[in-house]
Amino acid sequence: GDSVTQMEGPVTLSEEAFLTINCTYTATGYPSLFWYVQYPGEGLQLLLKATKADDKGSNKGFEATYRKETTSFHLEKGSVQVSDSAVYFCALIPWAAGNKLTFGGGTRVLVKP
Amino acid sequence: NAGVTQTPKFQVLKTGQSMTLQCAQDMNHNSMYWYRQDPGMGLRLIYYSASEGTTDKGEVPNGYNVSRLNKREFSLRLESAAPSQTSVYFCASSGLAGVAQFFGPGTRLTVL
Repeated sequence: GDSVTQMEGPVTLSEEAFLTINCTYTATGYPSLFWYVQYPGEGLQLLLKATKADDKGSNKGFEATYRKETTSFHLEKGSVQVSDSAVYFCALIPWAAGNKLTFGGGTRVLVKP
Repeated sequence: NAGVTQTPKFQVLKTGQSMTLQCAQDMNHNSMYWYRQDPGMGLRLIYYSASEGTTDKGEVPNGYNVSRLNKREFSLRLESAAPSQTSVYFCASSGLAGVAQFFGPGTRLTVL
């Protein structure tokens, strides 16, 4: 079945460091790919998305590129801030499968001043 | 525009008690979802409703029931709570197929 695998956390960084969170997926066809962010005590918010191969999603300085050849959707940010401390979830919606999301396990990121 | 709202925010139950978690959305979305979030396991789909009047089981439906009351509201019921149901529960909604889901703030449930 469809699945999403993320790197395990926690990831601890200093402010202004470069962040990468790896995400790979298993799915048939061409799924839509998403990154969600969950700040402490809150629900999930959509961070960015990509719906076809080679698409790049971007938002708030974060970027991720849909790589069909490596079945990956890695999240990157060039210079993190303390306010980026959160849990990040990679997710997919299978092609032609409505709106059901499959989530990865989440990666906790802690940015220290 | 409130988006997705959930009540209550926190709840403590004793084993065997029942309760209903409420969810409402004001975005005119067709589809609604209930997830549970457990440490280290991401979110797992309990039930979903693709449209008003329909409901389907997700990955972990045992011990739960749902009702899609109308287009706006989707409730989750625990008939006889168990400690294994201690979790954070999120409701979500979405519009067109393949489009991202919008999440509520969650309900933190503890079953003693």
